[in-house]
Amino acid sequence: GAVVSQHPSWVICKSGTSVKIECRSLDFQATTMFWYRQFPKQSLMLMATSNEGSKATYEQGVEKDKFLINHASLTLSTLTVTSAHPEDSSFYICSARPGGPFYEQYFGPGTRLTVT
Amino acid sequence: GESVGLHLPTLSVQEGDNSIINCAYSNSASDYFIWYKQESGKGPQFIIDIRSNMDKRQGQRVTVLLNKTVKHLSLQIAATQPGDSAVYFCAELISSGSARQLTFGSGTQLTVLP
Repeated sequence: GAVVSQHPSWVICKSGTSVKIECRSLDFQATTMFWYRQFPKQSLMLMATSNEGSKATYEQGVEKDKFLINHASLTLSTLTVTSAHPEDSSFYICSARPGGPFYEQYFGPGTRLTVT
Repeated sequence: GESVGLHLPTLSVQEGDNSIINCAYSNSASDYFIWYKQESGKGPQFIIDIRSNMDKRQGQRVTVLLNKTVKHLSLQIAATQPGDSAVYFCAELISSGSARQLTFGSGTQLTVLP
């Protein structure tokens, strides 16, 4: 149980285009979803936290107009990288937390974005 | 701001030996500490956690030790196997009101030598 999927697993796009990444909780309802970015040989950096039906809360330094997050249902959150540039190339990982008192977050497999 | 960090960026061990991965943290308000394993090109995988009111917890082949006095966390892997080669991250969970947020350390690359 507690499986989180991401789609696509990797994507290559041209500079200036937009890319959407989906994150789904397959066997549980996720009241909260998180988006992380990870550069090579670095740690995971939290970009934003989203609660179903609410606007996402972005971490300091993350442009909300560039990284659009939608958490429209309890099993789906999307991250759209708008007007992508080569410096946006990174590994994007989502995680999902079920409701209730528990803290556990379940991580997706990640999406490798390369902007050319 | 406060952060979670690791002492050693890389660690190489012989297959069958025990591994110890260390982590220093600076925020004493965390509720939980968690160790994750991340293989190349994959998302983090939960290994073991420990509540802040405990000092030791054991799992299958893994043990986490928490020393709150010196704000130090360690992960011990017994009889290290080739499949244990990965990057290991410690993370701390801090609760603030209704928000609970994970902060990750910088990671240690564990390489198991044949």
